[in-house]
Amino acid sequence: TQLLEQSPQFLSIQEGENLTVYCNSSSVFSSLQWYRQEPGEGPVLLVTVVTGGEVKKLKRLTFQFGDARKDSSLHITAAQTGDTGLYLCAGAGSQGNLIFGKGTKLSVKP
Amino acid sequence: DAGVIQSPRHEVTEMGQEVTLRCKPISGHNSLFWYRQTMMRGLELLIYFNNNVPIDDSGMPEDRFSAKMPNASFSTLKIQPSEPRDSAVYFCASSFGPSNQPQHFGDGTRLSIL
Repeated sequence: TQLLEQSPQFLSIQEGENLTVYCNSSSVFSSLQWYRQEPGEGPVLLVTVVTGGEVKKLKRLTFQFGDARKDSSLHITAAQTGDTGLYLCAGAGSQGNLIFGKGTKLSVKP
Repeated sequence: DAGVIQSPRHEVTEMGQEVTLRCKPISGHNSLFWYRQTMMRGLELLIYFNNNVPIDDSGMPEDRFSAKMPNASFSTLKIQPSEPRDSAVYFCASSFGPSNQPQHFGDGTRLSIL
């Protein structure tokens, strides 16, 4: 069974701080997606990474896919209160399905 | 563009009652997914359809749960009879192409079974 472990589970920081959240697995994924979910809404896709070692930037967010395609990280620079939400990673599994981690709940305080 | 539309947004009902959740996927998408989200278990895939055909229902908890997709623009998830442990947020998502492609989620139905 392919599993994705996300850490930390919860993170509370002050506005302006930097942070990194992680998505790890013992399995290889052909691609990995990151979503952000705000309270009362569904998850929204942020980015898809496909190639081992790939780095993608979305404004203050930097996403990296591990060389072996088993892990990924999301780094946020100078966090803002609008970054608050649940960050989910999802891997394209070997069965043709999408496997979600349980998420990191980020709270950015003013 | 209209996204995935779910109804109702909230449902509160007593245990034993039948509950029906509805979903309209994005036009042109050929895969539809039903998920359940709780604090303890996170986002769990219940069932997904491809071209209106159920492909994998291994996540459906038990026979009390059933899902249908009579056409490309509508799907239902039914719970009968409902139990308090079914309380959760239920999401519908759709995508174009294989089931591991990026998915577009609705805003969910918050279900409370008393």
